[in-house]
Amino acid sequence: KNQVEQSPQSLIILEGKNCTLQCNYTVSPFSNLRWYKQDTGRGPVSLTIMTFSENTKSNGRYTATLDADTKQSSLHITASQLSDSASYICVVGQNEKLTFGTGTRLTIIP
Amino acid sequence: SQTIHQWPATLVQPVGSPLSLECTVEGTSNPNLYWYRQAAGRGLQLLFYSVGIGQISSEVPQNLSASRPQDRQFILSSKKLLLSDSGFYLCAWSVQSYEQFFGPGTRLTVL
Repeated sequence: KNQVEQSPQSLIILEGKNCTLQCNYTVSPFSNLRWYKQDTGRGPVSLTIMTFSENTKSNGRYTATLDADTKQSSLHITASQLSDSASYICVVGQNEKLTFGTGTRLTIIP
Repeated sequence: SQTIHQWPATLVQPVGSPLSLECTVEGTSNPNLYWYRQAAGRGLQLLFYSVGIGQISSEVPQNLSASRPQDRQFILSSKKLLLSDSGFYLCAWSVQSYEQFFGPGTRLTVL
C-alpha cells in the first residue's frame, strides 16, 4: 500500500531557531517528491519538487533532501520566522497520481 | 500569470441539500483539473480529475459528482449532502504531470 508518513505530527519552536521535518514513504514506483506549505484555511503552496535523481533542493530558507534508496525526505527550515507557522505536507508523485502525507503542524513562537 | 479561483470560500448547508462548488483557472489552456477533499487530521484525498472538457475520472465512490463544462471550469456537485461530506475542498490544476497548483479552498460544513 502506498503511504507517506510524516513526523513529528506537530512541532513548536522559538523564532529564529532551525528545525527539520521528516517524511518516509512506501510509494512505488516513484516519480517525484514535493513539499507543500499550507497556511490554515488556505490551499497548499509548493516549496520544492525533487525527482529521484536529485538529493537536495533549496528555496530560500527551506532546504529539502531526498534519499531515494531509503525512501526518506526531510525539510529543513533555517532561521524560522513567525510566518513559517503552517502545516507542511510531503507529497510523493507517481506521474499524475499523488499520495499525500498528513502533514506536520509547525508553530513558531516569538 | 496563472490564477485559480474557488467559490464560495465557506459554505454551511443542511443535510440533504444540494451542493455546487466552482473552480476556474485563468492564464492557461487545456489544464488538468483536480478536486481534493481534506478532512481534519488527514491527508488530501483525490476525488476527481479531468484531462479535458467533459472528461471526468472518479477516484473514490461517493456522494459527489464533478463536471467540466468549459476548458477552465470545474464543478463539484451533490444532489443530497451527507454529514460526512463536511471538509475542506481544494481544486488544483496542472499542465504537465510535474506540479499541481492549488486554489484557496472551500470550507464546507454540513449540519
